[in-house]
Amino acid sequence: DQQVKQNSPSLSVQEGRISILNCDYTNSMFDYFLWYKKYPAEGPTFLISISSIKDKNEDGRFTVFLNKSAKHLSLHIVPSQPGDSAVYFCAAVSEYSGAGSYQLTFGKGTKLSVIP
Amino acid sequence: DTAVSQTPKYLVTQMGNDKSIKCEQNLGHDTMYWYKQDSKKFLKIMFSYNNKELIINETVPNRFSPKSPDKAHLNLHINSLELGDSAVYFCASSQDRDSYYEQYFGPGTRLTVT
Repeated sequence: DQQVKQNSPSLSVQEGRISILNCDYTNSMFDYFLWYKKYPAEGPTFLISISSIKDKNEDGRFTVFLNKSAKHLSLHIVPSQPGDSAVYFCAAVSEYSGAGSYQLTFGKGTKLSVIP
Repeated sequence: DTAVSQTPKYLVTQMGNDKSIKCEQNLGHDTMYWYKQDSKKFLKIMFSYNNKELIINETVPNRFSPKSPDKAHLNLHINSLELGDSAVYFCASSQDRDSYYEQYFGPGTRLTVT
């Protein structure tokens, strides 16, 4: 079962406009969320994170919003640039078997294309 | 100067063979991970090692055996390869087990089993 869902496989946005990538989760035990960015033939790279005690975290052009009651988070990129074209993965953190280790559960990713 | 490297980048092999994928990180990190990205694009944790000790072992067939000779290396050995093992395998590392939120990934190894 998909505990982290990214229902839009792709998104196209004009350069300079806002990109909004969405993510939904089902497990209420998740208490930390992350976004990773992936270029072709490379591994994912960490972009931004948010704790469940916050509803917003901002880092330059990137802002992540968390709505715990709706089990929904979104990544906003403003303004979008052609170099932002990549696959964006949403991930959620949970404790592994109560062993003091933590694991990431990833969504399937959304491919963002920023058109010049 | 690559932070997390994997070899080989591509691996094509026949069913029933045994193969290994190597991973090395030069970041001085204590914790390393193996992920599998299947045909449905899900990136799933397989194993995690902290200071050469296994700390995460997800439901993975016994044919998969990770080996960590030292903190900087985490290799993945797969016995009796099956068609369903075809996927992209990513190695990652983090500063320590508590820095799970910021993992550094290698470029991936695309395994194709024919």
